[in-house]
Amino acid sequence: AQSVTQLDSHVSVSEGTPVLLRCNYSSSYSPSLFWYVQHPNKGLQLLLKYTSAATLVKGINGFEAEFKKSETSFHLTKPSAHMSDAAEYFCVVSGRAGGTSYGKLTFGQGTILTVHP
Amino acid sequence: DGGITQSPKYLFRKEGQNVTLSCEQNLNHDAMYWYRQDPGQGLRLIYYSQIVNDFQKGDIAEGYSVSREKKESFPLTVTSAQKNPTAFYLCASRITRGFNQPQHFGDGTRLSIL
Repeated sequence: AQSVTQLDSHVSVSEGTPVLLRCNYSSSYSPSLFWYVQHPNKGLQLLLKYTSAATLVKGINGFEAEFKKSETSFHLTKPSAHMSDAAEYFCVVSGRAGGTSYGKLTFGQGTILTVHP
Repeated sequence: DGGITQSPKYLFRKEGQNVTLSCEQNLNHDAMYWYRQDPGQGLRLIYYSQIVNDFQKGDIAEGYSVSREKKESFPLTVTSAQKNPTAFYLCASRITRGFNQPQHFGDGTRLSIL
């Protein structure tokens, strides 16, 4: 079984300050982990993915995430927030559920990021 | 540009009516997925298909039906048996080689009850 917990439902930052969105996961197998972003009334856009090649993963728009197996965490960070970063962010785990390879995804509940001027 | 096209963007359903949401992709992906999104609940899997003429139920398939007659198309029908259909519906697709390939999403259809 696999699960994802996003520790904050809402995060508010000022423009130019760092962003930290927290995610813990649980998986019976070596997981693949993803962060997606969703702007209002839009689909999900892939920010970055972890697939065991490197623990620090760089994504688009200046975001990065670090995989920490000992803490079962995959937190998303950005050094300096921009107004355009305001959106909802989803942490997602994909694993080999039952030995199949259909890429079953388990989504966190989402974190809404607000950026103040 | 390659991508996933969902239509319509907004859809209204009357009581007792079936409605069909369209999803078309030109990414040459084998696998396609339908999700339902409700506020504060993340995304929940309705149906998925890994190959033409085959599909599987997801976590919340009751009241929904799908077909996969072409690789590019995976329409979702919301039947009258689905008593609470108001939600944002997202279609996705992915390459099937390996479990770590990301899913690519369309821009969604918002379904409401009249």
